[in-house]
Amino acid sequence: GENVEQHPSTLSVQEGDSAVIKCTYSDSASNYFPWYKQELGKRPQLIIDIRSNVGEKKDQRIAVTLNKTAKHFSLHITETQPEDSAVYFCAASNTGNQFYFGTGTSLTVIP
Amino acid sequence: NAGVMQNPRHLVRRRGQEARLRCSPMKGHSHVYWYRQLPEEGLKFMVYLQKENIIDESGMPKERFSAEFPKEGPSILRIQQVVRGDSAAYFCASSPRNTGVIPKQFFGPGTRLTVL
Repeated sequence: GENVEQHPSTLSVQEGDSAVIKCTYSDSASNYFPWYKQELGKRPQLIIDIRSNVGEKKDQRIAVTLNKTAKHFSLHITETQPEDSAVYFCAASNTGNQFYFGTGTSLTVIP
Repeated sequence: NAGVMQNPRHLVRRRGQEARLRCSPMKGHSHVYWYRQLPEEGLKFMVYLQKENIIDESGMPKERFSAEFPKEGPSILRIQQVVRGDSAAYFCASSPRNTGVIPKQFFGPGTRLTVL
């Protein structure tokens, strides 16, 4: 089955700096890669996703890049703000029947 | 337009009791996923259902766990004879039907199960 690894597990940045979180996957058939933000005690919220037919997608301060050859994808947050502090999860899916999640990155934005 | 709803939000059970967790999908969504999240860990896929049909249950433990999504009413995740290791947050997510393009899934608020 699919194996998704996520790094780093914790990340601290100064407000206004950029944050990058990286994930690798093992199943070359995976073709859908969502990212979720989870605040403490809350539900995971979809923040951006990318499909294997594109290499990059951007939504305001958030962007995701995908390298199918290397089987890795990354989340980029620019101009970070304290409200960006949360745990971020990447995921991968092949058919949509199962989603495999990374172990999460706890992001702290220091004011 | 209500989002995904789960109840109860918190559930306390003693070892050996049964736990029933309910999930109502978003309006217009016909498919439900169940996940388990242990403290400070990621989400682990358990089962994927549509009404009256289990599509994929490869993540479900073989014993004590079952799931259903009846024609009427919410999806239910049932854990029989709970043990302390079942203590976790259980999230459901719903999505529209997969028409060939994997649809986005949206999560409920979770049920936090504590086994004493």
